[in-house]
Amino acid sequence: NAGVTQTPKFQVLKTGQSMTLQCAQDMNHNSMYWYRQDPGMGLRLIYYSASEGTTDKGEVPNGYNVSRLNKREFSLRLESAAPSQTSVYFCASMGRPTNNQPQHFGDGTRLSIL
Amino acid sequence: GENVEQHPSTLSVQEGDSAVIKCTYSDSASNYFPWYKQELGKGPQLIIDIRSNVGEKKDQRIAVTLNKTAKHFSLHITETQPEDSAVYFCAAPSWGKLQFGAGTQVVVTP
Repeated sequence: NAGVTQTPKFQVLKTGQSMTLQCAQDMNHNSMYWYRQDPGMGLRLIYYSASEGTTDKGEVPNGYNVSRLNKREFSLRLESAAPSQTSVYFCASMGRPTNNQPQHFGDGTRLSIL
Repeated sequence: GENVEQHPSTLSVQEGDSAVIKCTYSDSASNYFPWYKQELGKGPQLIIDIRSNVGEKKDQRIAVTLNKTAKHFSLHITETQPEDSAVYFCAAPSWGKLQFGAGTQVVVTP
């Protein structure tokens, strides 16, 4: 029973490098989300996808792009990594984008940018 | 959009005592309030949620209360144990998304 799976779990990048964080869910959920978590800042929404084929900006989208590859997969791309993007990134999914359902989270990708 | 405030930011309790975390929200139309527990190195896990048609919900040692008039909801943990040590987040819905509180670090000391 995998739920939400994120890869990789850890990554170190140099400033200016690019990389893609992968997320997949096996719960047949429609909505998927990317958050970043920094000390003392809680969870901040980067981008989300209410359904396959749609994506929208969240609270902190600058420096990121996303792709909803299919219903299962939602990737986050850093085109030119900056030290300010050092963070823990979480992917989440939810059944339908209504206001009465919980989100289910993966275990995160810990990203350091030097 | 929704604004969620969570207090306290840290909470230290003796094993066996109770812990209470409070959250306030701004959108009176909000009708669903989940609580998450995040252990070190893990993602947030849903532990309990409440919908606006009830005022209280219990699940073993945890309970959540909701006051819609005052727009606040609280998490209560009774008979705390060392495994309750974690970061707890409240959340409220906002246009198909969740707005999270800043989190409460709970430390249970033996």
